[in-house]
Amino acid sequence: GAVVSQHPSRVICKSGTSVKIECRSLDFQATTMFWYRQFPKQSLMLMATSNEGSKATYEQGVEKDKFLINHASLTLSTLTVTSAHPEDSSFYICSARLEPYEQYFGPGTRLTVT
Amino acid sequence: GNSVTQMEGPVTLSEEAFLTINCTYTATGYPSLFWYVQYPGEGLQLLLKATKADDKGSNKGFEATYRKETTSFHLEKGSVQVSDSAVYFCALSGGDTGRRALTFGSGTRLQVQP
Repeated sequence: GAVVSQHPSRVICKSGTSVKIECRSLDFQATTMFWYRQFPKQSLMLMATSNEGSKATYEQGVEKDKFLINHASLTLSTLTVTSAHPEDSSFYICSARLEPYEQYFGPGTRLTVT
Repeated sequence: GNSVTQMEGPVTLSEEAFLTINCTYTATGYPSLFWYVQYPGEGLQLLLKATKADDKGSNKGFEATYRKETTSFHLEKGSVQVSDSAVYFCALSGGDTGRRALTFGSGTRLQVQP
């Protein structure tokens, strides 16, 4: 149980285009999901907290107009990287909170912007 | 705010050796503590957790005890295997901040040699 999927697993896009990443909790409902970014050989950096039916809460320094988050249902959150640039290339990981304590992580999405 | 400090790696051990990865935290109140593991090319998996002082989390031969007096949650395993080679992340959530998102340590890479 407690499986989280992400799609796509890898994406390559051209500079200036937008990319959407989906995060789904497959066997449980999650009112709260999180989006993280992981740089090579580094830890995870929280980007934003996604709340079902309300606006996401962004961490300091994360541009909300660039990283659009939508949590339209209890099993789906999406992250859209708008007008992507090479510096946005990274490994993006989502997690879904299974109340009351645990978070389960998706396998991650490798974004490469050329 | 909350923070987690864990020992830097890589940690290189021979098979069947004893493993300790140190983790200390800064938080007020009683946060929940976690160890996550990331195998090569995969997402993070919850390894074990402890939600109150003196609790011991255990899974797959790994153990960690929530020590409030030393603000520590050290990961141990009596006999490591090659298949345990991965990156291990200590994390916390909650405490007086009520912050639901996980705060991660920097990760410790474990390499087990046959």
